[in-house]
Amino acid sequence: AQKITQTQPGMFVQEKEAVTLDCTYDTSDPSYGLFWYKQPSSGEMIFLIYQGSYDQQNATEGRYSLNFQKARKSANLVISASQLGDSAMYFCAMREGGSGTYKYIFGTGTRLKVLA
Amino acid sequence: SAVISQKPSRDICQRGTSLTIQCQVDSQVTMMFWYRQQPGQSLTLIATANQGSEATYESGFVIDKFPISRPNLTFSTLTVSNMSPEDSSIYLCSVGGTGFEKLFFGSGTQLSVL
Repeated sequence: AQKITQTQPGMFVQEKEAVTLDCTYDTSDPSYGLFWYKQPSSGEMIFLIYQGSYDQQNATEGRYSLNFQKARKSANLVISASQLGDSAMYFCAMREGGSGTYKYIFGTGTRLKVLA
Repeated sequence: SAVISQKPSRDICQRGTSLTIQCQVDSQVTMMFWYRQQPGQSLTLIATANQGSEATYESGFVIDKFPISRPNLTFSTLTVSNMSPEDSSIYLCSVGGTGFEKLFFGSGTQLSVL
């Protein structure tokens, strides 16, 4: 079974508008972390935002925010005021496991295209 | 934070040969991870390499095909053995775990097998 599910293979958004990229996860571990990474065409993996399973507030990093709904096991990424440079592949990932046994699992990704 | 140097950055290899990818970290880290990213796909975890113990391989990956060394807390190698065109991928070294809020990545090795 998929541990991280991203149901949107591709998304379009108009420049300056907000966009939400969906991510659901599956784990029985009470302690876990959720991440979003951006991968532009250059191939590098760029960390965007992190949410811990015990964090009470949704994480925010500049134009990025993570809509964390624990009961629904969802961790959607919201990008506000989209820019052309936001066009890239976006991966949701989960860290599970305890000290010394961490594992990071990635979703299938969403390709975002920002339109001028 | 961690700065990861991975090499080679790319290589073109012949079928049946082996390639060893090196990953050097600028600080001591407990856990290192090796991922494969096939063209247009997501990242798939190959194995976790902890210093002082055997690497832990994920389902579908075996030590004979992807032997890993982890001689100290700053260095690891991944060998892709007896390569076939299906091994053409980007291979990524990363570090994370205790003390790291996120996963840090090397710049990747683009492997093409002819």
